[in-house]
Amino acid sequence: DGGITQSPKYLFRKEGQNVTLSCEQNLNHDAMYWYRQDPGQGLRLIYYSQIVNDFQKGDIAEGYSVSREKKESFPLTVTSAQKNPTAFYLCASSRAGTRSADTQYFGPGTRLTVL
Amino acid sequence: AQSVAQPEDQVNVAEGNPLTVKCTYSVSGNPYLFWYVQYPNRGLQFLLKYITGDNLVKGSYGFEAEFNKSQTSFHLKKPSALVSDSALYFCAVRDIRDNQGGKLIFGQGTELSVKP
Repeated sequence: DGGITQSPKYLFRKEGQNVTLSCEQNLNHDAMYWYRQDPGQGLRLIYYSQIVNDFQKGDIAEGYSVSREKKESFPLTVTSAQKNPTAFYLCASSRAGTRSADTQYFGPGTRLTVL
Repeated sequence: AQSVAQPEDQVNVAEGNPLTVKCTYSVSGNPYLFWYVQYPNRGLQFLLKYITGDNLVKGSYGFEAEFNKSQTSFHLKKPSALVSDSALYFCAVRDIRDNQGGKLIFGQGTELSVKP
């Protein structure tokens, strides 16, 4: 899992609550990503950021929000608008993004469960 | 549109036998191809990648993969499987002309089970 940390490891949310998942990296990477993993579906991209103070929607951004105020940090908020948030959330980073062959390295993940 | 297919949900191998986990891809341009492994409730660990050059790529833990452009495949192989290789394996692709921030497209994963 390298220099990427995610917290908490497990998170429980009640209906109607917003929750924020933390992702921090000390690899000096410019690009950071959030993926959602559901059983049998692989990983799907939620949001990505190629540089501080800039981020873009991925394939399934509805009901999620992010910020990138520091190079090291890329928190993900799961809002009450996300209808089916129970999943395993993975943060990743890479040295560069667009048109790059750079490897994405992943954090250990956060398992979110809606009660 | 970019896509990745892992045609086998599960692969069963006896310890000491060779293993193959299959992956085929579809991109409009030339691909960057990646293999990752995931152990239960853990993040993904990078195994190897193909960028250009030699079609046979060697990676971590004795794994290798062969890029076949005509068959649009990138199968993961290991000459002698270990019980500790049992995990979920993901193939991923990125189109080198991609302008979406380096987005990876993942296959659905293949569960590898190695029995003693």
